[in-house]
Amino acid sequence: GESVGLHLPTLSVQEGDNSIINCAYSNSASDYFIWYKQESGKGPQFIIDIRSNMDKRQGQRVTVLLNKTVKHLSLQIAATQPGDSAVYFCAEKITGNQFYFGTGTSLTVIP
Amino acid sequence: SAVISQKPSRDICQRGTSLTIQCQVDSQVTMMFWYRQQPGQSLTLIATANQGSEATYESGFVIDKFPISRPNLTFSTLTVSNMSPEDSSIYLCSVRTGGQETQYFGPGTRLLVL
Repeated sequence: GESVGLHLPTLSVQEGDNSIINCAYSNSASDYFIWYKQESGKGPQFIIDIRSNMDKRQGQRVTVLLNKTVKHLSLQIAATQPGDSAVYFCAEKITGNQFYFGTGTSLTVIP
Repeated sequence: SAVISQKPSRDICQRGTSLTIQCQVDSQVTMMFWYRQQPGQSLTLIATANQGSEATYESGFVIDKFPISRPNLTFSTLTVSNMSPEDSSIYLCSVRTGGQETQYFGPGTRLLVL
């Protein structure tokens, strides 16, 4: 099957800086993507999603960019805070019911 | 989004025993799924829980090992049968509401098999 992978397994940023988490996908037919945040001991929490007919979508302090040409997805977090420390997963919808999840990037915010 | 709860939140079990995990949603949902997340890894879909019929299992997962029930639109159970230490994992319930594609997750059940 198709796979979703992340470029960086760990990322450390200073509090207040911007964070960028990257994700590569391999199924050019995928039309829907989601970013999740998973804090220690909790389930994945929906952050933001984007459809393939868009290349950018913004939420509160987060922006997702989609580059279909190179099959790349990124999550940008503005003014990173200690509460943003977590593992971030991208998910790619490959069929009507199936999502594939990336391996995750662990974000650590340094106070 | 729906509010999803799971019971138990964690458990320590002996090998050879079985554990049933419950997933309760505060509203009717169209689809319910069960995932496994092994330590330090990403999420793997076990099966889609179908209301009133047998679950749809993914490759590598079988009904005898992971029987699933879904008696209505707000509740599902996953049983991990004849457990071995390799079954130690986080088990996550996930749902979709209405006609949306977005999936939401429960808090997970942390299982340790000794």
